[in-house]
Amino acid sequence: QVQLVQSGSELKKPGASVKISCKASGYTFTTYAMNWVRQAPGQGLEWMAWINTNTGNPTYAQGFTGRFVFSLDTSVSTAYLQISSLKAEDTAVYYCARFSPSGDHFDYWGQGTLVTVSS
Amino acid sequence: SYVLTQPPSVSVAPGKTARITCGGNNIGTKSVHWYQQKPGQAPVLVIYYHSDRPSGIPERFSGSKSGNTATLIVSRVEAGDEADYYCQVWDSSSDQGVFGGGTKLTVL
Repeated sequence: QVQLVQSGSELKKPGASVKISCKASGYTFTTYAMNWVRQAPGQGLEWMAWINTNTGNPTYAQGFTGRFVFSLDTSVSTAYLQISSLKAEDTAVYYCARFSPSGDHFDYWGQGTLVTVSS
Repeated sequence: SYVLTQPPSVSVAPGKTARITCGGNNIGTKSVHWYQQKPGQAPVLVIYYHSDRPSGIPERFSGSKSGNTATLIVSRVEAGDEADYYCQVWDSSSDQGVFGGGTKLTVL
């Protein structure tokens, strides 16, 4: 069965960096693109980006350029989100979500990774 | 950028029907998808392409679209349906995903 398993919670200080992983199993990783979605505490879902798992090319939402880097390691069927120069407002749960075969909605989600930025 | 508008909250008694709306400009031209999110859990797809259900989703969940509004319909509401619900479209002009602000469904 399809599974997306994300890395564990992170506590970071402002200015630090964090790298979150999302390991896929149960399907051929390069067949479906991957998305990342952010959810700040008590807030709604915010789409961040999608990454083509064949080419590694990401497409970003406004507001997620610069400090946010989306990458892949297809040899281990894993997608990564790295955030640099962390700010308190980056505190959120970050989800990876697989694109559906039609490429316009998200059929499987990771369990989420909580990133807390605090001094 | 494209905007989807949902009511912040909807309340319904057990056994009744809940309707959660999602409005957007020319939403009739877009495919609308719905997710359920219970506290502390990841979202789950409950409706795609306005009215299709993934396997494992009860038939009590359905969807419709008319004019500039899409609607998630939950029939015979149960206590376990209490959750946040989000609509979503893909904005092909910008190649980006868009979520509505979410609606908290409360079962009275």
